Amino acid sequence: SQQGEEDPQALSIQEGENATMNCSYKTSINNLQWYRQNSGRGLVHLILIRSNEREKHSGRLRVTLDTSKKSSSLLITASRAADTASYFCATPNQIGFQKLVFGTGTRLLVSP
Amino acid sequence: GAVVSQHPSRVICKSGTSVKIECRSLDFQATTMFWYRQFPKQSLMLMATSNEGSKATYEQGVEKDKFLINHASLTLSTLTVTSAHPEDSSFYICSASYSSNTEAFFGQGTRLTVV
Repeated sequence: SQQGEEDPQALSIQEGENATMNCSYKTSINNLQWYRQNSGRGLVHLILIRSNEREKHSGRLRVTLDTSKKSSSLLITASRAADTASYFCATPNQIGFQKLVFGTGTRLLVSP
Repeated sequence: GAVVSQHPSRVICKSGTSVKIECRSLDFQATTMFWYRQFPKQSLMLMATSNEGSKATYEQGVEKDKFLINHASLTLSTLTVTSAHPEDSSFYICSASYSSNTEAFFGQGTRLTVV
């Protein structure tokens, strides 16, 4: 299977704390994407980081990419209860192709 | 950002009937769309690639006669679950993107329950 893996599978934190999720993938990539999914809903795009980038920020989100280790991390700072969701990383299955392979996901629970 | 609309959001059908799910790109033309299936608390598994004007490409293990895909225009792809059975109950999501190096936009998903 090409599916990437994420850890942890589940994460419970208090509001205000930071949450870090890690993703590993298997093939060479030109980009890696992070998505959020609220229960029973579609996916919302968070950040796309290209293979020539090492770090990217968007608001309270920070994404890193290490292509030598085929891994990425998503950091959510100062978490809020509204951040409770599942988070997935995704990579194109081949460079130049739109088909995405998703990681196993991390279920984040932020308690007030 | 671009919008992808999926309809219906929920459907309950009887075993043996067929169900059609629509996926529309509302503000851009999508020559390629993707259909995913998601079981509870699991990740998304790609089912097929929908190609405008040509046959869909199915992933290994996905029955093309069970899951019929039609991509008749640059803004609409449909997935028809034929002769549905309870094991077809799942969450189905479509997506589209501008290119291979940009983000994908997802529909809201369809919760199919076969009784």
